[in-house]
Amino acid sequence: LAKTTQPISMDSYEGQEVNITCSHNNIATNDYITWYQQFPSQGPRFIIQGYKTKVTNEVASLFIPADRKSSTLSLPRVSLSDTAVYYCLVGDLYNQGGKLIFGQGTELSVKP
Amino acid sequence: DGGITQSPKYLFRKEGQNVTLSCEQNLNHDAMYWYRQDPGQGLRLIYYSQIVNDFQKGDIAEGYSVSREKKESFPLTVTSAQKNPTAFYLCASSRQGAYEQYFGPGTRLTVT
Repeated sequence: LAKTTQPISMDSYEGQEVNITCSHNNIATNDYITWYQQFPSQGPRFIIQGYKTKVTNEVASLFIPADRKSSTLSLPRVSLSDTAVYYCLVGDLYNQGGKLIFGQGTELSVKP
Repeated sequence: DGGITQSPKYLFRKEGQNVTLSCEQNLNHDAMYWYRQDPGQGLRLIYYSQIVNDFQKGDIAEGYSVSREKKESFPLTVTSAQKNPTAFYLCASSRQGAYEQYFGPGTRLTVT
């Protein structure tokens, strides 16, 4: 299973765009990249998932370069309610029995 | 409303007692999972089940047991053999092979 590395913490201000980068140098061909958000004392919530290039939904964008050794979660115009821990996960869920490997995540703090 | 319920939200037990945490889902998902989260850490997989009457150990299964007699239910028993049971326990479910897992609200277990 691919190991991921992401910053422990980040600070931002309301209205700014936030980019959180995740390194996954040993990503395998069948692996997908998935991001989750977790608020204190709650279960994580799925944000976005991608395999290559760019994926966008109503919440975020995910940028994946051609070599797929890293990925960047982009949150446009953050608000105070985006303060949370963001996890980057890499894996082939279909063939690994649904096992998700959560690292320590990035604690994002949005200030007014 | 479809979703995952976990009960109770807070649970207190004396050392040496077994305790069972409830997890129910009405999403018609085949796969269910149990994770443990310690303060400041990511989630770690305890057990998972991809189909009724079948389950597999995750990374930290020692001291825990599960059953999957019904598709909707996946209870977790924390036995007295678990050396450090105090933690936040999260249950999740997903469609087979899907990258999006849906998490319950969690049960915070304190053993003294």
